[in-house]
This record gives sequence, structure tokens and C-alpha cells, in this order.
Amino acid sequence: GNSVTQMEGPVTLSEEAFLTINCTYTATGYPSLFWYVQYPGEGLQLLLKATKADDKGSNKGFEATYRKETTSFHLEKGSVQVSDSAVYFCAVKAAGNKLTFGGGTRVLVKP
Amino acid sequence: DTGVSQDPRHKITKRGQNVTFRCDPISEHNRLYWYRQTLGQGPEFLTYFQNEAQLEKSRLLSDRFSAERPKGSFSTLEIQRTEQGDSAMYLCASSPPPGQGFNEQYFGPGTRLTVT
Repeated sequence: GNSVTQMEGPVTLSEEAFLTINCTYTATGYPSLFWYVQYPGEGLQLLLKATKADDKGSNKGFEATYRKETTSFHLEKGSVQVSDSAVYFCAVKAAGNKLTFGGGTRVLVKP
Repeated sequence: DTGVSQDPRHKITKRGQNVTFRCDPISEHNRLYWYRQTLGQGPEFLTYFQNEAQLEKSRLLSDRFSAERPKGSFSTLEIQRTEQGDSAMYLCASSPPPGQGFNEQYFGPGTRLTVT
């Protein structure tokens, strides 16, 4: 079956620091890849997606590139803000319709 | 577009009781999904409907769990004879039909179940 491994948190950063969250996956066929974010007290929101190799998803200053050769989809942001404090989930959708999620990475940005 | 809604938002029940949750998807979304999320973990897939047909069920969905979507609109998830291990956040998501935008899933706020 499909699986996702992402770095464990918490990740604590100062404002304006560079953020990277590593994500690797195993899946059959040609999966689509996603990053979801869960802000405190809120539901899961789609942050960005990529549907084929070498695609770059981007949103709100976050970016992730679909690397088929390394089966990775690392999330990056060049300058984080306090408002980026949240839990971030990497997910894969291969054959079928279900999403398979990683365990989540909690990010805390301090002023 | 009011988003995916779930009711109730919180439910506390005693072990052995039955509980039922409701999910209203985004209108025009014909696909509906249920996931379960335990504390500190990512969501895990439970089941999936296309219109009123339940097309996939996870091994996680034991015989005590049943989901329905009778008219292809809202869905219910029932847990019979609840156990403490059922305590979790139950998430519902919906996605549009193929050809109407990318098949991305939009999540509701979840129902947090606590079994005492």
C-alpha cells in the first residue's frame, strides 16, 4: 500500500527563518502529492499540490517540488511568520481516491 | 459555497453506547470520504462514497462501524458499542466529480469523539 514518511516535530523557528519539512513517499503508479495544513482549532486545509514529476506546487510563500527519482515532496518557505505556526501534513493519492497521510509535523514560529 | 459541515463538533459518550455523526458535503460534490485522526497522528482513511454507493472501505472500519449516504447528499457514520479506542477526531471530506476541477478533497472541521 501507499505510505508517507515526514520528519517529526516539533520544529521551532524564529520569525523570518527558513523552513524545510521533509516528506518521502511510496506509492504505485503515478501518484498526486499534497501538503495540507491544520491551524490551531481549525480543520485541514489544502496548502499546495503537484500532480506529476517535476511539478512545483506553491501557495502562500510555500513551495514543494515533486521529485520522482527520490520519491520526495519537501515543503519549503523562505521566511516564516508567526501565523505559519500549525501542523503540516504530507499526503499521497495514488490509484483510487483515498489520501494517505504522513504523521504530521508541528511547526512553532516564535517572534 | 459554505464548505463541508459536520455535526456534532464534539461528542462525549460512555463506553458501550452508540453514536452517529453527520457530514454535509459541498453541494455538487458527488464524492464523500470519512477519515479518522487520533491525537498526534495523520488522518487515516475509513471509507469513500461516490453518490450513494460506498465504493471502498478500510480494514479499520470494523463491524461496529457503518456509514451511509442514502440520497447521495449528506452522510452518516455510526459507531455501535463504542470503545475507548474509538476516541478520535472523525473527519469528513468531499470532492467534485471528474472533469469539474482537480479531484482535491475539502475537509470539514471534524467531530471529536471522547469515549469515557
